Amino acid sequence: QVQLVQSGAEVKKPGASVKVSCKASGYESSGYTFITFGIAWVRQAPGQGLEWMGWINAYNGNTNYAQRFQGRVTMTTDTSTSTASMELRSLKSDDTAVYYCARAIRSGSLFDQWGQGTLVTVSS
Amino acid sequence: DIQMTQSPSTLSVSVGDRVTITCRASQTISNLLAWYQQKPGKAPKLLIYKASGLETGVPSRFSGSGSGTEFTLTISSLQPDDFATYYCQQCNSYPYTFGQGTKLEIK
Repeated sequence: QVQLVQSGAEVKKPGASVKVSCKASGYESSGYTFITFGIAWVRQAPGQGLEWMGWINAYNGNTNYAQRFQGRVTMTTDTSTSTASMELRSLKSDDTAVYYCARAIRSGSLFDQWGQGTLVTVSS
Repeated sequence: DIQMTQSPSTLSVSVGDRVTITCRASQTISNLLAWYQQKPGKAPKLLIYKASGLETGVPSRFSGSGSGTEFTLTISSLQPDDFATYYCQQCNSYPYTFGQGTKLEIK
C-alpha cells in the first residue's frame, strides 16, 4: 500500500532553517509512479487546525506556495528516490508545528495519503 | 483567500447518534470540497471528496452533501471509532484552505 515516511523531529533556533523529507513507496501497487502525483505540505500548530503550505508537481517540478510562505519555503522532489522535501527558512517561534506531507491528487487539490508528521520545534 | 467556517466547533454526542457538521465557504466553490477525519496524534484521513464522493474504504455511514457555499458531513449512526476532529477543505482555488475543525466529544 502507499506509504509516505517522513524524517524525524527537529529542534531549531529562531532564524535557522529546517528541511523535512518525505519518502514515498507503494505507488506501483496501484499502477502508478511517484511522478504521477504531487506532494503537498500541510502544517498544524499545537492544538490548532490544518494549514496548507503549498504543493509540488512531481512530474514537472512546478510549485505553488501559499502567499504567507512565499520567499521562505522551498519544495523539491528527487524522483530517483521518490522523495519530496520541504525547507522552511528564517524560522520563528510560531513555526512550531507538526508538518505533514500528503499525496496530492486532482491537480494538487486533494490529499489522499498522508505522512506520519514531523514535529518541528523552534525555540531559543 | 476563501474562508471556510465550520459549525459547531465542538459537538457532544453519543454512540448511535446521527451527526451533522456544517461547512460554509466565503465564496462559491461548486462541489470542490473535501472532508477529513483526524484523531489525536495522527495524520488526517480523507473521507469525502467532491462534496459527496466516498473515499475507498470509508464506511458508508459517512456521507457528504452540498454545493456552492453550504456543505454538510453526516454520520448516520456514530460508532466509537468516530470520535475525532473533522475538517472541511476547499479544493477550488489557491491557497487551499481548511475549516477550523469540529471535535466530536463523548456526551
